[in-house]
Amino acid sequence: DAGVIQSPRHEVTEMGQEVTLRCKPISGHNSLFWYRQTMMRGLELLIYFNNNVPIDDSGMPEDRFSAKMPNASFSTLKIQPSEPRDSAVYFCASSSQGGGNEQFFGPGTRLTVL
Amino acid sequence: SQKIEQNSEALNIQEGKTATLTCNYTNYSPAYLQWYRQDPGRGPVFLLLIRENEKEKRKERLKVTFDTTLKQSLFHITASQPADSATYLCAPPVSSNTGKLIFGQGTTLQVKP
Repeated sequence: DAGVIQSPRHEVTEMGQEVTLRCKPISGHNSLFWYRQTMMRGLELLIYFNNNVPIDDSGMPEDRFSAKMPNASFSTLKIQPSEPRDSAVYFCASSSQGGGNEQFFGPGTRLTVL
Repeated sequence: SQKIEQNSEALNIQEGKTATLTCNYTNYSPAYLQWYRQDPGRGPVFLLLIRENEKEKRKERLKVTFDTTLKQSLFHITASQPADSATYLCAPPVSSNTGKLIFGQGTTLQVKP
């Protein structure tokens, strides 16, 4: 198995532009998580899905952020419009059950908003 | 609110020694706790899970303890090697019926040859 796949690996954009991050979870996993990691705030959960349904989006910072999971093998995190304070590493992770099981992380997308 | 604390200062030890990392939690009692390893430029990798009814768990040179009275988990690496140098994150769940984890800030371990 290729593991969790994220794209792009690096994204540099200008303030105000739309950014879309993509994630392909491990086949057979039914939970998907989007995290953001910064030096100041560490690893923060933004949103997670169970069986393609958003369960908890309380970590989404504001309306500029949105996430979708149209099917079991694909999810997107969109920021529109982007701001410099959104610069961070965004990780996607998947697991086989909602609770107690280990999470498998992707390599992350390093986002820089100028 | 639930709070997870790990030593923010880096831990520097000599190769061959035992490294001990601490994770303290407050304001709740998690049913289990996970430990992850993160290398620079990579995503965290799962290492061990310990449940509240387990005092200790081992995996090769790794040992994790879970003291529900002290509200603390200790993570030990015995016979440490330079390849063990990384950041280690503890992550208990928000509640027992959810996969949502709260990650600590992590402790960076540096093992010197």
